[in-house]
Amino acid sequence: GENVEQHPSTLSVQEGDSAVIKCTYSDSASNYFPWYKQELGKRPQLIIDIRSNVGEKKDQRIAVTLNKTAKHFSLHITETQPEDSAVYFCAAHLYGSNYKLTFGKGTLLTVNP
Amino acid sequence: GAVVSQHPSRVICKSGTSVKIECRSLDFQATTMFWYRQFPKQSLMLMATSNEGSKATYEQGVEKDKFLINHASLTLSTLTVTSAHPEDSSFYICSARDIGTGRGSGEKLFFGSGTQLSVL
Repeated sequence: GENVEQHPSTLSVQEGDSAVIKCTYSDSASNYFPWYKQELGKRPQLIIDIRSNVGEKKDQRIAVTLNKTAKHFSLHITETQPEDSAVYFCAAHLYGSNYKLTFGKGTLLTVNP
Repeated sequence: GAVVSQHPSRVICKSGTSVKIECRSLDFQATTMFWYRQFPKQSLMLMATSNEGSKATYEQGVEKDKFLINHASLTLSTLTVTSAHPEDSSFYICSARDIGTGRGSGEKLFFGSGTQLSVL
């Protein structure tokens, strides 16, 4: 099966700085990589995703990059704001797995005002 | 995005009782729903895949007789924690896959709001 590693487990930045969270996956057959944001006690919210046929995708302050050769993908948040503080999960979908997602362990991002 | 409704949001029950959690896709059809368990400050652990009209597929180590899943329609899946014990206390959350109505790919998952189960 797929295995997803996520780093760092915690990340603290000053408001306005950038934040980068990195994930690696094990199975080269994985073809879809979403990122979720989860605030305490709430549901994970899909914030951005990328397919294996694309190297980079951007949505305002959020971007995701994918390196298929190295089997890693990263979330980039620019101009961070206190409301960006949350736990972020990366995930990978293995083609043919009946749409199951394998999640990373999560990164607690704290943006200090 | 698509809306997934999960109820109840919080349950406190006595040891030995059974608890049913509902997961509904409100504005789309979901042939596949997933049930997860999440411990504090930890990741989402997939428990089972719920398929409409057929038996659920359980992940290794998850007791199917303990966690009963029923997916009787394209918009509703239920998880019943039978004879709950304190070690079953956790945050349970469902997700549903939108089979495709122009929202994007079928891999996109939308999550319910979760159920915090506390077994005394």
